[in-house]
Amino acid sequence: DAMVIQNPRYQVTQFGKPVTLSCSQTLNHNVMYWYQQKSSQAPKLLFHYYDKDFNNEADTPDNFQSRRPNTSFCFLDIRSPGLGDAAMYLCATSRERNYQPQHFGDGTRLSIL
Amino acid sequence: QKEVEQNSGPLSVPEGAIASLNCTYSDRGSQSFFWYRQYSGKSPELIMFIYSNGDKEDGRFTAQLNKASQYVSLLIRDSQPSDSATYLCAVNEVTGGGNKLTFGTGTQLKVEL
Repeated sequence: DAMVIQNPRYQVTQFGKPVTLSCSQTLNHNVMYWYQQKSSQAPKLLFHYYDKDFNNEADTPDNFQSRRPNTSFCFLDIRSPGLGDAAMYLCATSRERNYQPQHFGDGTRLSIL
Repeated sequence: QKEVEQNSGPLSVPEGAIASLNCTYSDRGSQSFFWYRQYSGKSPELIMFIYSNGDKEDGRFTAQLNKASQYVSLLIRDSQPSDSATYLCAVNEVTGGGNKLTFGTGTQLKVEL
């Protein structure tokens, strides 16, 4: 089945140690998104790509960066994770930059020691 | 600041009853509206989307939209214990790089035997 795949499902890292989360999609969608979701909160958009065009949200900390080397893959890099960055990170895709639905992967739960 | 408001619940309904979930939004220019189901510890799963005023039905689910009142709802008929989850309302904002979803914090639904 076509889908959005996130790896790993669970990631544990140390305070300040860089970490990379991965997302791949077989939907051939043009737009890929990264969200952060903390317990009992709404998903919060960090940034998104339309094809190779990167769009950062104004309140996304500089500590968070992203790469999209090709249509299928997108990475979330956290340069120096702090305790406040522990959360579920969700990758989503949509076909085009219009009103179409977004489809989510299973998420990566990040813990900081 | 665009806002999406939902009652956090929990909303408890007996098995077989109709569950009614409500959502209001602040941006009159919003054009598309989505309902996602999220089980504890899992990622959001798209349930319904609606673009036009009125009702849209899909199986046991009906989405209702009233743009004049800035109100969208989700009805779940014949509620089952497996419907117990948090339901997220999301409203679309089209930006230069893609469609951005603003999520509510979700309503927790409990379907009791």
